[in-house]
Amino acid sequence: AQKITQTQPGMFVQEKEAVTLDCTYDTSDPSYGLFWYKQPSSGEMIFLIYQGSYDQQNATEGRYSLNFQKARKSANLVISASQLGDSAMYFCAMTPTTDSWGKLQFGAGTQVVVTP
Amino acid sequence: SQTIHQWPATLVQPVGSPLSLECTVEGTSNPNLYWYRQAAGRGLQLLFYSVGIGQISSEVPQNLSASRPQDRQFILSSKKLLLSDSGFYLCAWRGPGQLNEKLFFGSGTQLSVL
Repeated sequence: AQKITQTQPGMFVQEKEAVTLDCTYDTSDPSYGLFWYKQPSSGEMIFLIYQGSYDQQNATEGRYSLNFQKARKSANLVISASQLGDSAMYFCAMTPTTDSWGKLQFGAGTQVVVTP
Repeated sequence: SQTIHQWPATLVQPVGSPLSLECTVEGTSNPNLYWYRQAAGRGLQLLFYSVGIGQISSEVPQNLSASRPQDRQFILSSKKLLLSDSGFYLCAWRGPGQLNEKLFFGSGTQLSVL
């Protein structure tokens, strides 16, 4: 069974600064996918970025980048140039590609508050 | 384009009453469908998933059940609600065969059991 750990329950970051959200995982599956989602106060889950375990390069999507360190089993999200609209809950998640059901397991989340 | 609809947005129900939450997906066929629950300030817990009509798998034994009467319809039900069933319920879908792809989520249902 896999496990996702997000050790930062909450973070404050100043506008225009970069912030790193930690995520570590534990799995015995040789192939898996890692995801980050954003959940604003409205409750919707917004997909941010994806990293496959065999991808050679770290994923990037606009201001979001994923610092993937496979040997350390970490998949930290970096948000550059933070904006007030980035204030939200952020979830790390994973699914093993060997899972025939495509189940996505989530971490507990990190609450980010961006201040002016 | 594909869209997912989930309703109602909010629901307040007394303990012991029945529950029916509905989720429909448009613009795709044979999607993989999921029900997640999120307790206040917590992460998402997978409740049920389905890869086809009538095919339901449960992740956590509980007071809830799920059904998939049509290809793009996923229903979460309970015969008698408990206080512990309160939470934010999210329906999600993924394309068939796209097991390593992102999930698309509905807007969620905030359920309060009193």
